[in-house]
Amino acid sequence: GAGVSQSPSNKVTEKGKDVELRCDPISGHTALYWYRQRLGQGLEFLIYFQGNSAPDKSGLPSDRFSAERTGESVSTLTIQRTQQEDSAVYLCASSQGPISQETQYFGPGTRLLVL
Amino acid sequence: QKEVEQNSGPLSVPEGAIASLNCTYSDRGSQSFFWYRQYSGKSPELIMFIYSNGDKEDGRFTAQLNKASQYVSLLIRDSQPSDSATYLCAVKGVGGFKTIFGAGTRLFVKA
Repeated sequence: GAGVSQSPSNKVTEKGKDVELRCDPISGHTALYWYRQRLGQGLEFLIYFQGNSAPDKSGLPSDRFSAERTGESVSTLTIQRTQQEDSAVYLCASSQGPISQETQYFGPGTRLLVL
Repeated sequence: QKEVEQNSGPLSVPEGAIASLNCTYSDRGSQSFFWYRQYSGKSPELIMFIYSNGDKEDGRFTAQLNKASQYVSLLIRDSQPSDSATYLCAVKGVGGFKTIFGAGTRLFVKA
């Protein structure tokens, strides 16, 4: 079946604008993760959704960042009043469930550039 | 102290040699350990996971875990130029969902 998809693939915006990033997980995957990867850096955990449970938002860097997920489907990550420091690749991953050994499958990412 | 630490490299090895990639973690309660490979400009893809002490082999790849030393490694035998990438170590703790990634080690395999 199809893998994880993300849109847009690239986004250029001006400082102060809001942006919305979308993630379509693999069908049937109940767990969904958002990460941020700055140039030359590792992955920074942002938020985790598992089924209908309350999400783990502990990685969101500020209240400008928020994310939603409807059931076990699409998720959107919203960044309000973007700053130049928000420039990064935003990666979404999904897995079958919350079990510790579950493999995460990554989407191609959204490359965000804030001018 | 970072939660998951890796030598950033670059690590350069000749074709056919063994590449050894290392990772240490701070949370003694960590339960699952993953190695991802990330080619430049691409997304990470899973190579192996391990959760029991000892070695786990898959083709040219061997993951080694030592929970007492809080250390996990990845060996790549008969390294190929196509193995040139950044290798990310990832750790899941108690509760099993939040994954902490290291910054990655860049590997170059010279032909």
